[in-house]
Amino acid sequence: KQEVTQIPAALSVPEGENLVLNCSFTDSAIYNLQWFRQDPGKGLTSLLLIQSSQREQTSGRLNASLDKSSGRSTLYIAASQPGDSATYLCAVSSTPLPGYTGGGNKLTFGTGTQLKVEL
Amino acid sequence: SQTIHQWPATLVQPVGSPLSLECTVEGTSNPNLYWYRQAAGRGLQLLFYSVGIGQISSEVPQNLSASRPQDRQFILSSKKLLLSDSGFYLCAWSVLQRGKDSGNTIYFGEGSWLTVV
Repeated sequence: KQEVTQIPAALSVPEGENLVLNCSFTDSAIYNLQWFRQDPGKGLTSLLLIQSSQREQTSGRLNASLDKSSGRSTLYIAASQPGDSATYLCAVSSTPLPGYTGGGNKLTFGTGTQLKVEL
Repeated sequence: SQTIHQWPATLVQPVGSPLSLECTVEGTSNPNLYWYRQAAGRGLQLLFYSVGIGQISSEVPQNLSASRPQDRQFILSSKKLLLSDSGFYLCAWSVLQRGKDSGNTIYFGEGSWLTVV
């Protein structure tokens, strides 16, 4: 059974600092890994999707890496801003959907890292 | 562009009452649809997914059911709510292509807060 762990559970940093969020998963046979952002009381917003054949993805100040063999992913946020304050969730797809060759989006989520960027 | 609507946003229901949460997707056809639940202090848990009209798969045994009466409509229901059904329910969609061995980005709705009292 796939398990996803995120460390740290909470993080507080001053504005402008570069930071790294960690995600680990127990079963390396994944189809993809996704990072999401969740604001309090809101739904999830997809940030980055890394396919199993990829090593990293970048979007603006965000960079996500994937080391499938070691079961790890990191989300790097450059020059953090107060608007980055949110909970960040990683999720892996490792279970196939019927009729498809791949895992689609039956995701296993971590419990998230709550980030606070202070002025 | 594609959008996902989920309602109601918040509801408080007594134990034993029925439940109906609705989700609709616009701007795409034949999406894969999902219901997730996020309980306090816990990660999101996949409850149901659907790859087509009338095709529902349940991931965990529970007091809830799901239906997909139309291509872009997904409904989460219960006949009698339990206290343990309280949580934040999220509908989501994605598009898959047969023959591809990887998934695509999944998009979530804004969620529905359910408090069973």
